[in-house]
Amino acid sequence: GAGVSQTPSNKVTEKGKYVELRCDPISGHTALYWYRQSLGQGPEFLIYFQGTGAADDSGLPNDRFFAVRPEGSVSTLKIQRTERGDSAVYLCASSLGRSSYNEQFFGPGTRLTVL
Amino acid sequence: GDSVTQMEGPVTLSEEAFLTINCTYTATGYPSLFWYVQYPGEGLQLLLKATKADDKGSNKGFEATYRKETTSFHLEKGSVQVSDSAVYFCALSPSDYKLSFGAGTTVTVR
Repeated sequence: GAGVSQTPSNKVTEKGKYVELRCDPISGHTALYWYRQSLGQGPEFLIYFQGTGAADDSGLPNDRFFAVRPEGSVSTLKIQRTERGDSAVYLCASSLGRSSYNEQFFGPGTRLTVL
Repeated sequence: GDSVTQMEGPVTLSEEAFLTINCTYTATGYPSLFWYVQYPGEGLQLLLKATKADDKGSNKGFEATYRKETTSFHLEKGSVQVSDSAVYFCALSPSDYKLSFGAGTTVTVR
């Protein structure tokens, strides 16, 4: 079946602009996660959704970052007033539910470059 | 807070060599432990996991044992192949959903 998909695969923007990154999870997966991976580092947790609600947004770096999942499926990560330090690969993952027993399946990521 | 420290790379090996990648963790509770792998041009995928002390995770010839006494989860494979060339990430999950990753170790098999 189809895996987690993310669009766009690459996004280049200018400092100060607004961007939206989209994630389509595996059908039937109620849990959805966003991570950010900077060059040479492991992914860092940003936010976790269970269904439509953000159950844990403690990893969002500041209030320029926001994510939604209005119908409990597709999610959008929104970044306002982008800064050069936001440049990274943004990864989305989904799982059947919350639990370490439920494997998180990762998408290919969106590479964001802020000029 | 909870964190993972893994062996720095890059690591370069000959085919059929023995591979070990060290991983130690710091956690207040009893986290689940994971190894994820990222092959060239592909997304992150789960390689193996262990959910409690003394559990051994295994997959594709790789093994790792959850050692509570040494807070370690070292990854091993007895005989590597060129197709094992990838970036390997150790991770822990202290809260049943959030994953905390190490920095990754790049392995090249020639």
